[in-house]
Amino acid sequence: KAGVTQTPRYLIKTRGQQVTLSCSPISGHRSVSWYQQTPGQGLQFLFEYFSETQRNKGNFPGRFSGRQFSNSRSEMNVSTLELGDSALYLCASSAGTDTFQETQYFGPGTRLLVL
Amino acid sequence: SQQGEEDPQALSIQEGENATMNCSYKTSINNLQWYRQNSGRGLVHLILIRSNEREKHSGRLRVTLDTSKKSSSLLITASRAADTASYFCATANTGNQFYFGTGTSLTVIP
Repeated sequence: KAGVTQTPRYLIKTRGQQVTLSCSPISGHRSVSWYQQTPGQGLQFLFEYFSETQRNKGNFPGRFSGRQFSNSRSEMNVSTLELGDSALYLCASSAGTDTFQETQYFGPGTRLLVL
Repeated sequence: SQQGEEDPQALSIQEGENATMNCSYKTSINNLQWYRQNSGRGLVHLILIRSNEREKHSGRLRVTLDTSKKSSSLLITASRAADTASYFCATANTGNQFYFGTGTSLTVIP
């Protein structure tokens, strides 16, 4: 099976812009989770989608949003970008029965730089 | 970190030696997981240990969990240069929150 893919791999934006990141899960996986990784805050959970519905949510402002399509592909959107949003954004997929009780498979990440 | 800390922050060993890293967490958990991350890449799931388990093995990996001390350890035996990476623990708590630790950077010197 193909692994989790994320596009784009690298992105440069300026403050105030918005950005959309895409994640394609492993075939058959219904859960997609998003994480932000920064040197200062480490790895933090953003949200999880299952069957097109947000099922779990971390502690991030409303500028961070996401959605999942019927084919389980997911997008993450960040509006009004701030310098502190510069990070590696990781997507993970799992079968989804109970996402945090099972193995999650991570994509390579999208590295976002906000200038 | 909201959930826990890992220690040491950095570890450097010779190839063939064993590497031990520790993870402490703060709240009750359903399970604890260990991940590896090679520089700037995605995470690879290594092992999951449930709260009612005390020890688990997978190849050269041995994980222990002590829920009374809210801590876990990851032992990598007979380390190889390819084991050089950052290692993170992650906990899933009863409120279905998922938190990563701060990570241990392991360098295995050939």
